[in-house]
Amino acid sequence: DVKVTQSSRYLVKRTGEKVFLECVQDMDHENMFWYRQDPGLGLRLIYFSYDVKMKEKGDIPEGYSVSREKKERFSLILESASTNQTSMYLCASSFLGEYQPQHFGDGTRLSIL
Amino acid sequence: ILNVEQSPQSLHVQEGDSTNFTCSFPSSNFYALHWYRWETAKSPEALFVMTLNGDEKKKGRISATLNTKEGYSYLYIKGSQPEDSATYLCADFGNEKLTFGTGTRLTIIP
Repeated sequence: DVKVTQSSRYLVKRTGEKVFLECVQDMDHENMFWYRQDPGLGLRLIYFSYDVKMKEKGDIPEGYSVSREKKERFSLILESASTNQTSMYLCASSFLGEYQPQHFGDGTRLSIL
Repeated sequence: ILNVEQSPQSLHVQEGDSTNFTCSFPSSNFYALHWYRWETAKSPEALFVMTLNGDEKKKGRISATLNTKEGYSYLYIKGSQPEDSATYLCADFGNEKLTFGTGTRLTIIP
């Protein structure tokens, strides 16, 4: 079974802090994705990566950056956390191509105080 | 249709009844349409990936159809059970990424 593991289920940080969310997958997937989910807005793509050291902006990249130094690990970085970044963050991975389903982690509920 | 739209937003169905809901997506430059089920406190789980016009896929009591010319897909659940309670998401594939709808939240009433 594919396993996508996010480092924390719940996280509380303060405004202005630098926050790291980590995601690891064990299926040798090329693609990795970071989404945030907010009530009434659905899953929105922040960044994705199709290879090591490659990154592409999604629909809402402002205030975030990412790092992919190894194929299995994709990190989301909030450079200076703000209260409007309080949300549920989901990581996903997949093989390349339109036929490939994405496999999701359990999510990190991040609160910025 | 410019975005992925799902209807209804929420649905309450009596246990044993059948139900269906809709996903609308841009019909130009179509590649694939994905369906996911997201149960509370769990991670989204892939149900179907649909690629061909007229495609019909089935997994147990759940099935889905696809019309790429008019830009819609239906998800059907036959004989609803309490474990079907979840949010059902559809997503349109393009530029190596998925664009998700806001989901249909299904609640099965015992």
